[in-house]
Amino acid sequence: DSGVTQTPKHLITATGQRVTLRCSPRSGDLSVYWYQQSLDQGLQFLIQYYNGEERAKGNILERFSAQQFPDLHSELNLSSLELGDSALYFCASSPRPWRNTGELFFGEGSRLTVL
Amino acid sequence: GENVEQHPSTLSVQEGDSAVIKCTYSDSASNYFPWYKQELGKGPQLIIDIRSNVGEKKDQRIAVTLNKTAKHFSLHITETQPEDSAVYFCAARPAGGTSYGKLTFGQGTILTVHP
Repeated sequence: DSGVTQTPKHLITATGQRVTLRCSPRSGDLSVYWYQQSLDQGLQFLIQYYNGEERAKGNILERFSAQQFPDLHSELNLSSLELGDSALYFCASSPRPWRNTGELFFGEGSRLTVL
Repeated sequence: GENVEQHPSTLSVQEGDSAVIKCTYSDSASNYFPWYKQELGKGPQLIIDIRSNVGEKKDQRIAVTLNKTAKHFSLHITETQPEDSAVYFCAARPAGGTSYGKLTFGQGTILTVHP
């Protein structure tokens, strides 16, 4: 158990809909990262938040947005869903910078299926 | 941006044999190279990492080597066991910036260890 909690574990929805994925980082971790894992694209970095602020952006679509709340949990919002958005979405967290060895702690993922 | 190529995509070995997975990266500025293991239904978990100022690192049955000149790094697993069966990902992180988690992952290697 990495200590990172993601909900829901599975989600099935239709094209055009909007969903929200939730992540609680490990206790004390300030950084949260979102990754998308699909068969054709592999593991792709989407976005990072540090203590409530956006820190880095990767290949995140404009239809997707994220935020990190004062209690450090994060939400990834996916809107106008398309079939190609079906994937595993992982959240990861890392310790405070001065303790950071580089390791990311991943949750078990949220599997999104768009029909 | 960074591009990481990983080979082979599948690897099948007998218990007790060694397994080697190789990765190449494109950005010579990358300075951190982790390896993650992903078991079925789980998120990736760090197994070993290496920084660009080191050529080799060992942790029990696992070792990683880095050749900065050739821009490639490899994972070596000795005395493989059935519980080593999983998907292994290499990754690279560019130097600079403030995002420890902006990793570029390889496509993954499915390792199967036969008893």
